Amino acid sequence: AQTVTQSQPEMSVQEAETVTLSCTYDTSESDYYLFWYKQPPSRQMILVIRQEAYKQQNATENRFSVNFQKAAKSFSLKISDSQLGDAAMYFCAYRSATYSGAGSYQLTFGKGTKLSVIP
Amino acid sequence: EAGVAQSPRYKIIEKRQSVAFWCNPISGHATLYWYQQILGQGPKLLIQFQNNGVVDDSQLPKDRFSAERLKGVDSTLKIQPAKLEDSAVYLCASSSLTTPQETQYFGPGTRLLVL
Repeated sequence: AQTVTQSQPEMSVQEAETVTLSCTYDTSESDYYLFWYKQPPSRQMILVIRQEAYKQQNATENRFSVNFQKAAKSFSLKISDSQLGDAAMYFCAYRSATYSGAGSYQLTFGKGTKLSVIP
Repeated sequence: EAGVAQSPRYKIIEKRQSVAFWCNPISGHATLYWYQQILGQGPKLLIQFQNNGVVDDSQLPKDRFSAERLKGVDSTLKIQPAKLEDSAVYLCASSSLTTPQETQYFGPGTRLLVL
């Protein structure tokens, strides 16, 4: 079974600065997707960024980028020019790309990192 | 486009009582998910529907939890009888496809407290 580990329960960053959230995962598969989801205090979770394991290039979405190290099974999220609205819980998630029956495409989440943004 | 709707937003019950949650996915989304998120943890999938059929319910405690998705649109999740450890946020999500790269759209959740 796949596992996702987020070793930083809480992080803080000054407004306009850059912060990196860490995520490691364990899998024996070669094809999969990794996601970062943001869950603001209102609790509606939204997708921040997605990375396919076969793509060498790190995904980028505006101020959000990832550092995907497949061999190290590491998938960190970098937030540049942090804004007050970035304050939230951030969840790293894994999803297999190989269908092998019911539950194959299940999202496996880490425990999350609570990010605070200091004005 | 309206998002995923859930009700109620909050529910407090006593143990051994029953409770039901409702979810209305984004229009046209064939796949619907129910997750349980215990405080301090990430969401855990309880059940996945494709239209009105169950795709995966391997992590659903079937002795007390049940779910249905009539007509392939709205869904209800029921707990009967509730236990203290069922206190959690119950998230509903939907997606248009069942592919590994698809985006799941989440509702605001129902926060359940079992006393």
